[in-house]
Amino acid sequence: RKEVEQDPGPFNVPEGATVAFNCTYSNSASQSFFWYRQDCRKEPKLLMSVYSSGNEDGRFTAQLNRASQYISLLIRDSKLSDSATYLCVVNMGFGKSTFGDGTTLTVKP
Amino acid sequence: DAGVIQSPRHEVTEMGQEVTLRCKPISGHNSLFWYRQTMMRGLELLIYFNNNVPIDDSGMPEDRFSAKMPNASFSTLKIQPSEPRDSAVYFCASSPTSGGTDTQYFGPGTRLTVL
Repeated sequence: RKEVEQDPGPFNVPEGATVAFNCTYSNSASQSFFWYRQDCRKEPKLLMSVYSSGNEDGRFTAQLNRASQYISLLIRDSKLSDSATYLCVVNMGFGKSTFGDGTTLTVKP
Repeated sequence: DAGVIQSPRHEVTEMGQEVTLRCKPISGHNSLFWYRQTMMRGLELLIYFNNNVPIDDSGMPEDRFSAKMPNASFSTLKIQPSEPRDSAVYFCASSPTSGGTDTQYFGPGTRLTVL
């Protein structure tokens, strides 16, 4: 079993749709959690950190459930510019970061 | 700040040749990471440096790979000899705190093709 598993995707949604991604992790001692966004042939960039209390940044909401060991990302009112691959990242400390394989989102007009 | 700088951006070489990838982290960052990304294996952590010291190199595939960080502003990843299966995008990332539990800032990557 992989340490970090994401919805396989791809997700193809119309503009304005709400879409949710999930990610599960296997190590209960994991310390910090993130969602990164990667555009085609570009480097990953931080989208948002994920906290147990949940956090929101505009149209994006991230949630962490430590008991069930999963992380979620909700995108509301999807824009064409949201089309990208979304990577779930789990960090164990001591530099041990594990990236999920990513979920590809395509938002269509 | 200029962000993480990597060079070269593209490298095409022949099997058996030595390849050296370079990285300049963001000034003041304590942690530096080298990653490799392929379609088959996704993004894999190769090695992690903290304050210029290699802390975890368990992701380095084999002895053909080596990494150094002689000072806080420079790191190299060397492959000798290179093989076609080393073809991938290699990213360098830096983080302001130790342990990498904070945000990692990625460079633009080096796209390596080994023929």
